[in-house]
Amino acid sequence: NAGVTQTPKFQVLKTGQSMTLQCAQDMNHEYMSWYRQDPGMGLRLIHYSVGAGITDQGEVPNGYNVSRSTTEDFPLRLLSAAPSQTSVYFCASSSTGGSGYTFGSGTRLTVV
Amino acid sequence: RKEVEQDPGPFNVPEGATVAFNCTYSNSASQSFFWYRQDCRKEPKLLMSVYSSGNEDGRFTAQLNRASQYISLLIRDSKLSDSATYLCAGRDNYGQNFVFGPGTRLSVLP
Repeated sequence: NAGVTQTPKFQVLKTGQSMTLQCAQDMNHEYMSWYRQDPGMGLRLIHYSVGAGITDQGEVPNGYNVSRSTTEDFPLRLLSAAPSQTSVYFCASSSTGGSGYTFGSGTRLTVV
Repeated sequence: RKEVEQDPGPFNVPEGATVAFNCTYSNSASQSFFWYRQDCRKEPKLLMSVYSSGNEDGRFTAQLNRASQYISLLIRDSKLSDSATYLCAGRDNYGQNFVFGPGTRLSVLP
């Protein structure tokens, strides 16, 4: 049982480039979300989804897009990378029964 | 006021000590709380749920105080391997997602 799989683990982008961070879960969880973690700021919610075809914005959505075409996958797209998007990105999933999150191993993104 | 707040620490304690962390929350309607452990450069991992009646798992005890709107985590007989950052989480003010505290860093010293 793989849990939540994120790729890539590391990425360096130039300002203005776009890319997609991949997230897949094999636990049949309805809820998925993306967080970014910055020193001193904790985890901040970017976007979330409560099921296939349903997405919504979190606390810091600007500069990011998401889609949820299947229950398993929840990719995060950076439209035009900026240095302020340098961070560690975590994907998380949970069942709708109120259980805690399972996190992916994270993507360390540096924008230069 | 932030939705979930924690003392960032660091807490430096000797091996074998008992240490407690508190976490305050603003959403009085929140029914679900959790403690996570995060090792350096790793993802957060669920440590334990926090129930109204309290929750104990070995050396770890979690408590919820609704009147004062805080949750606590008590670690007894600290081990070197307990060194990590501990994050608390509660429902956001819309009840949809979880909001995390910034984490409390614990260092258990030999």
